[in-house]
Amino acid sequence: AQSVSQHNHHVILSEAASLELGCNYSYGGTVNLFWYVQYPGQHLQLLLKYFSGDPLVKGIKGFEAEFIKSKFSFNLRKPSVQWSDTAEYFCAVTASGGSYIPTFGRGTSLIVHP
Amino acid sequence: KAGVTQTPRYLIKTRGQQVTLSCSPISGHRSVSWYQQTPGQGLQFLFEYFSETQRNKGNFPGRFSGRQFSNSRSEMNVSTLELGDSALYLCASSFPEGVGELFFGEGSRLTVL
Repeated sequence: AQSVSQHNHHVILSEAASLELGCNYSYGGTVNLFWYVQYPGQHLQLLLKYFSGDPLVKGIKGFEAEFIKSKFSFNLRKPSVQWSDTAEYFCAVTASGGSYIPTFGRGTSLIVHP
Repeated sequence: KAGVTQTPRYLIKTRGQQVTLSCSPISGHRSVSWYQQTPGQGLQFLFEYFSETQRNKGNFPGRFSGRQFSNSRSEMNVSTLELGDSALYLCASSFPEGVGELFFGEGSRLTVL
């Protein structure tokens, strides 16, 4: 079974700082990868996803993530964060050809100070 | 298109009681999954239903159960509540071939006293 590790549990940044949230997964086969975001008081929503092709994926609100297969990583990045990016971020993985049930990481809480 | 709707949004129960949570998926979505979200543990998968059948199950005790109706609406039930069951319970719907892309409701926050 696959597993997901998010190294940063809490991140505090000032506006305009750059962001990188780590995500590593363990699974030997082909995977589909996701980042979800949960803004305060709102439902979880998809930020971006990777199925195949270009390993650099662009999502909503200026976020991007890079799939590095050799490192089993799918780190989330944003060059300049805003106060409105304050949220909890979850990395998730599904195994291609297997169950469509995503395995989620424990999440990273991001606080951006104005 | 209406999103995933969960009811009730908040509820308080005492130990030993039981609770039923409801979820209406996005129209046309036939797969419904349930997750338990707690601080520090992230999202833990409970079960997934498709066409009224439980297709996948997580590692939770039998006190946690669910079902799906012919209109794809789903309910989950927790019997003999324990303090540790306090959590946000999330429902998500998807196409069956959605390869893991889920659409979540806002959740039902359960507090067990």
